[in-house]
Amino acid sequence: GENVEQHPSTLSVQEGDSAVIKCTYSDSASNYFPWYKQELGKGPQLIIDIRSNVGEKKDQRIAVTLNKTAKHFSLHITETQPEDSAVYFCAASKGVSNFGNEKLTFGTGTRLTIIP
Amino acid sequence: DGGITQSPKYLFRKEGQNVTLSCEQNLNHDAMYWYRQDPGQGLRLIYYSQIVNDFQKGDIAEGYSVSREKKESFPLTVTSAQKNPTAFYLCASSVLNIQYFGAGTRLSVL
Repeated sequence: GENVEQHPSTLSVQEGDSAVIKCTYSDSASNYFPWYKQELGKGPQLIIDIRSNVGEKKDQRIAVTLNKTAKHFSLHITETQPEDSAVYFCAASKGVSNFGNEKLTFGTGTRLTIIP
Repeated sequence: DGGITQSPKYLFRKEGQNVTLSCEQNLNHDAMYWYRQDPGQGLRLIYYSQIVNDFQKGDIAEGYSVSREKKESFPLTVTSAQKNPTAFYLCASSVLNIQYFGAGTRLSVL
C-alpha cells in the first residue's frame, strides 16, 4: 500500500518568514495530493490540493509543488502570520475510482509555530 | 448549514463497555470515513464506506465496528476488544476525493 513520509515533525519560523514542509510518497499510481491544516481541538481542513497533471498550484500565500519523478511534494507558506500556527498534514491517493473516492494516506503531521 | 456533525465531543468508556460515536452529514456525499488520531501518528483509517450498506476495513479495524444504513449516518462502535481506545476520533465524508472532516470526538477510558 501507499506510504507517505512527512518532514519536519516540528517547525518554528519567525513571523513574516517562509515555511516549507515536505512529503514523499511510495506508490507511483498516486495522483491526488491534498494538504490539511488542523487547529487545536478541531478537525483538519483542506487548504490546498494538487493533481498529478500540474507541477505547481498557488492560492495567495500558500503554494504546493509536485515532482512526480522523485515522488515528492511540498507545501510553501510565505509571509507567515500567527494564525498560520497549526498542525499540517499531507496526504496522497489514487484519485477517484470507478467505484467512488479512493482512500487517503496521511503523513504524520508537522507542527508549525510562528514566532511573533 | 451544511457539514459533518460528530457527537459527543467528549466520551468516557468504562472497562468492558462498548461505546458508539455518532457521525452525521448533510452534504449528500456517498463516501464516509473514520480515522483515529494519536499524538505524533497522524490520521489512521479505521473503516470507510463508499455507499450505503457497504463498508470496508481500513488499516486499524480491530476492536471497532461500523454500520451504514443511511447515506447521512456512519456510526462507529468502539468495542471492549479495543484495548487502547483513548484517542481523538475523526469522521469525514468526501466527494471527488476531497475529504471534509467533523470536529472530532475525544474518547477516554475511566
